[in-house]
Amino acid sequence: DAKTTQPTSMDCAEGRAANLPCNHSTISGNEYVYWYRQIHSQGPQYIIHGLKNNETNEMASLIITEDRKSSTLILPHATLRDTAVYYCIVKHYGGSQGNLIFGKGTKLSVKP
Amino acid sequence: NAGVTQTPKFQVLKTGQSMTLQCAQDMNHEYMSWYRQDPGMGLRLIHYSVGAGITDQGEVPNGYNVSRSTTEDFPLRLLSAAPSQTSVYFCASSYRNEQFFGPGTRLTVL
Repeated sequence: DAKTTQPTSMDCAEGRAANLPCNHSTISGNEYVYWYRQIHSQGPQYIIHGLKNNETNEMASLIITEDRKSSTLILPHATLRDTAVYYCIVKHYGGSQGNLIFGKGTKLSVKP
Repeated sequence: NAGVTQTPKFQVLKTGQSMTLQCAQDMNHEYMSWYRQDPGMGLRLIHYSVGAGITDQGEVPNGYNVSRSTTEDFPLRLLSAAPSQTSVYFCASSYRNEQFFGPGTRLTVL
């Protein structure tokens, strides 16, 4: 599975959009981009995933560049409860869905 | 649905003791896994199972055993606890795109 690079930390003002970048320059054609987050002391929570098209759900939007070498997770109106570590993970879809490789992620701090 | 449940929430062991961390899911997922998370680090895969009777090693399997006799349960056994196994342990089950994680067990080995 491809390796990802994320900033160590980011700040965002409450009510503003949080844009979290992820580089995955070695991604292969059949690998998906997944985002999870971990709120302090809790188990990670799935947010969204995508292959090449932009995706949106009730939690967030995922923008993947045309060359698929990077992506951005967007939380459109960040709240204090969105303060968490966000993990960008690249892996093949389906099959043995485990073996998620978690890096250190981006620590997002949403400030009032 | 209760989702993924883990017991106990907290545990303190002495070096050399053994114990079993329990994990159960009620979503009928075939795939289950165990991770550990050390302070300031991401999660690392210990063992996983693709279905009842089938288990395999992950990235850091040494010192841990697993078995999968039913779809619902996936216990993790520490054979002889060591201080290096002090960590937070997460169990997860998955279906297609999404992994569902339990609340974790905080283990301290003295």
